[in-house]
Amino acid sequence: AQSVAQPEDQVNVAEGNPLTVKCTYSVSGNPYLFWYVQYPNRGLQFLLKYITGDNLVKGSYGFEAEFNKSQTSFHLKKPSALVSDSALYFCAVRWGNTNAGKSTFGDGTTLTVKP
Amino acid sequence: DTAVSQTPKYLVTQMGNDKSIKCEQNLGHDTMYWYKQDSKKFLKIMFSYNNKELIINETVPNRFSPKSPDKAHLNLHINSLELGDSAVYFCASSQDLGFYNEQFFGPGTRLTVL
Repeated sequence: AQSVAQPEDQVNVAEGNPLTVKCTYSVSGNPYLFWYVQYPNRGLQFLLKYITGDNLVKGSYGFEAEFNKSQTSFHLKKPSALVSDSALYFCAVRWGNTNAGKSTFGDGTTLTVKP
Repeated sequence: DTAVSQTPKYLVTQMGNDKSIKCEQNLGHDTMYWYKQDSKKFLKIMFSYNNKELIINETVPNRFSPKSPDKAHLNLHINSLELGDSAVYFCASSQDLGFYNEQFFGPGTRLTVL
């Protein structure tokens, strides 16, 4: 079955430190991977995506993610965390050409950046 | 300019009532979606429409009926509301069904069934 997993419910980092939010996937065929962020009482906002090409993808607000095919991972990273990065982060995957545009979302990871 | 808008933002109602949530996107996208986010923040797709045609119906009870009068609008009508329907409902859109397209989400409608 096609799936995406975010193994950590919660990630805590100090402001100024690097952050990583993990995502692994399981799909048959080529995956198309996305990260979204949800601030409290708001809708999800697109951060970045991997479609093809360079494994390191850069996105909004200084975030980047690295696609690793051998480890089936797409971890979200930022070199220096800000308190304002505190939010709920979702990894999502789409695959193939028969899923009619459907996305499968991970369960989300709450990132807390402490001053 | 709001890209994807939903009304109302909050909806509080009694069990058994019927209610509707409206969604509009001004992005010129072909594809629209409804998602349900439960109290644990898990996000599940309910429906997707492409150019007013139903594409995905993700085993949602028949009490939920989406309607797309045109490709810029996707409304959600819920009959005979139950306690378990309490959740935040998000509308989203994408350029088309292409699996490389990101989705744009509305601000959500928080539905509380008493």
